[in-house]
Amino acid sequence: GQQVMQIPQYQHVQEGEDFTTYCNSSTTLSNIQWYKQRPGGHPVFLIQLVKSGEVKKQKRLTFQFGEAKKNSSLHITATQTTDVGTYFCGGGSNYKLTFGKGTLLTVNP
Amino acid sequence: GAGVSQSPSNKVTEKGKDVELRCDPISGHTALYWYRQSLGQGLEFLIYFQGNSAPDKSGLPSDRFSAERTGGSVSTLTIQRTQQEDSAVYLCAGGFLPYEQYFGPGTRLTVT
Repeated sequence: GQQVMQIPQYQHVQEGEDFTTYCNSSTTLSNIQWYKQRPGGHPVFLIQLVKSGEVKKQKRLTFQFGEAKKNSSLHITATQTTDVGTYFCGGGSNYKLTFGKGTLLTVNP
Repeated sequence: GAGVSQSPSNKVTEKGKDVELRCDPISGHTALYWYRQSLGQGLEFLIYFQGNSAPDKSGLPSDRFSAERTGGSVSTLTIQRTQQEDSAVYLCAGGFLPYEQYFGPGTRLTVT
């Protein structure tokens, strides 16, 4: 079945440093969604990408969808302590999302 | 209500007992999902409901797990004869395909 791998599993940065998490699928995806889960919280939707090569920005966050629609990345510029949490990608084919295991980001102030 | 609600928020049960977990999605959301999240792990798909279509039960880990959705709204996930490996956070999510999913706060299940 479809597998979605996410790396790294953990990332610790100093406040102000950049952060990137990568998502790779074994199959072509119809879309990819990114979610953020704060410690003790539930996943909250960040963005959806559907087009090959698509790039979307939300303030300090940049999301990319690969040309082959099999990989994606989330880049955070100049991290802040409020960025702490686990970032999940979910790759979709039809209605079902297969989620990666997430990247836990911790930020040292 | 304003968001997805789940009850109970925490459930401690003895091994072998049955449990029911409830999800109240946002009104009007046609798609409803159940996921399981073990400590430090990702989101494991369990089951999907869409309107009046037959649910996709392909993620249910065993026949001890079942779920229903009544009237296209409230959903209940039932685990029979609970085992310790069932301990996890059970998350419900709803939405309109193929767009974002709105997650509830989850039910933390502990099987002793």
